[in-house]
Amino acid sequence: GPKVLQIPSHQIIDMGQMVTLNCDPVSNHLYFYWYKQILGQQMEFLVNFYNGKVMEKSKLFKDQFSVERPDGSYFTLKIQPTALEDSAVYFCASSLGAANTEVFFGKGTRLTVV
Amino acid sequence: GEQVEQLPSILRVQEGSSASINCTYENSASNYFPWYKQEPGENPKLIIDIRSNMERKQTQGLIVLLDKKAKRFSLHITDTQPGDSAMYFCAASPNYNVLYFGSGTKLTVEP
Repeated sequence: GPKVLQIPSHQIIDMGQMVTLNCDPVSNHLYFYWYKQILGQQMEFLVNFYNGKVMEKSKLFKDQFSVERPDGSYFTLKIQPTALEDSAVYFCASSLGAANTEVFFGKGTRLTVV
Repeated sequence: GEQVEQLPSILRVQEGSSASINCTYENSASNYFPWYKQEPGENPKLIIDIRSNMERKQTQGLIVLLDKKAKRFSLHITDTQPGDSAMYFCAASPNYNVLYFGSGTKLTVEP
C-alpha cells in the first residue's frame, strides 16, 4: 500500500543544535502532518500543512519549530534550537483529502536530544 | 481541539474471545473516528474508521460503534488471534483530518 517514508529513523543531537526531520509523503497526497509521541503515550498533533502553508498548529508546535516542503520535495520539520523535552518519536503523515480520508503514517524518527 | 479518552489501557484476552475498547470525545464537531493498530517499531496503520453519518460499521472481524449523543465510540474485535496483539489507538477528527488520539490500549491475545 501507500507508504510514508521518514529519514532518518533515529537521530541524536546536542541540546541547542538544529535538527531537520525529513518525510517523503505518499506521492499524490496533498495534506501533510507532524505528530509527536513520547514513549508510552499517544501521538499528539503538532501541525498540518497544505499548499505551502500551515493550516493549523497545536500548542506543542513551539516557536522553535518550522515546517516546509520546498518544490514538492521532502516535507520537513526543523527544530532550532533543540531542547531536552523535544526528545520523542516524530511521525509524519499524509492524506489525499482534507476531511474524512485515510491518514497514512510513517514509521517515525526517534529524536534524542542530549 | 479535542480531548479523547480511551479505556482500558491494558487488555488481556484468550484466543478466540472478543476484545472491546471504548473511547469518548468532547467536541461535538468531530465527525471522523479512525482506529489505528501499532506494532512495536512500526507505523500506526488504519484498521477501520467510521464517519458521523453512521452508527455501526463492520469489516473482517472488526466492529465499530458510534453513539454521537453520548460522544462515545468503540472497537470490538471478534475471534481474537495472537496476531491481534498490539497497541490500538482511537482518534477523533473535528476538521482538516487533524487526528486527536486516545492514550492507547495494549491488547495481548493469549493462546
